[in-house]
Amino acid sequence: EEQLVESGGGLVQPGGSLRLSCAASGFTFSSYEMNWVRQAPGKGLEWLSDIRSSGSATFYADSVRGRFTISRDNAENSLSLQMNSLTAEDTAIYYCARARIEVLGTGAFDVWGQGTKVTVSS
Amino acid sequence: EIVLTQSPATLSLSPGEGATLSCRASQSIRSFLAWYQQKPGRAPKLLIYDASNRATGIPARFSGSGSGTDFTLTISSLEPEDFAVYYCQQRSQWPITFGQGTRLEIK
Repeated sequence: EEQLVESGGGLVQPGGSLRLSCAASGFTFSSYEMNWVRQAPGKGLEWLSDIRSSGSATFYADSVRGRFTISRDNAENSLSLQMNSLTAEDTAIYYCARARIEVLGTGAFDVWGQGTKVTVSS
Repeated sequence: EIVLTQSPATLSLSPGEGATLSCRASQSIRSFLAWYQQKPGRAPKLLIYDASNRATGIPARFSGSGSGTDFTLTISSLEPEDFAVYYCQQRSQWPITFGQGTRLEIK
């Protein structure tokens, strides 16, 4: 079964840092682009970041560029999101998601983790 | 940034009825649009990719259409498990963006 499992969420103070992880199984992780998406309480989905299958390129939403860093370890089948300078507006459920392999561009997100909750509060 | 506007915000229908959900892009995204379903407390689920292709395991009652700036998700006959929130998403241009969602509720 193709599966993604996030971890690392929790309560952090404003200005603090947190590192999220996403463990992949059941598919060839190194073949897929991977993404992070978040959902603030009661709100819609917000794409945050993408990383190419080899890790050669990364993309970020303006809201997190310069504060968040996406990375991957294909040998360990894992994806990470380092989050710095956190504010209350970063409070959300964070999902990792696999992008379909497409000839053109980044594919739709066909496998999602269950999410990990991040709360930024003093 | 490409803005996706979904309508209506809320749709109230009964099981067995048909549903039509719309997504309009602020500029052409060709056919690079996906639809997701999200139930409370659950991760989103891919329904349709590239405007009209059903994802693996998605029932035939779900169909997508459109290109350019106007897209539609149609559910031909609603089942009880279809009541959820639906999001559209474009992959035509960075940043990837989602619509604000349409809540499909039981009438």
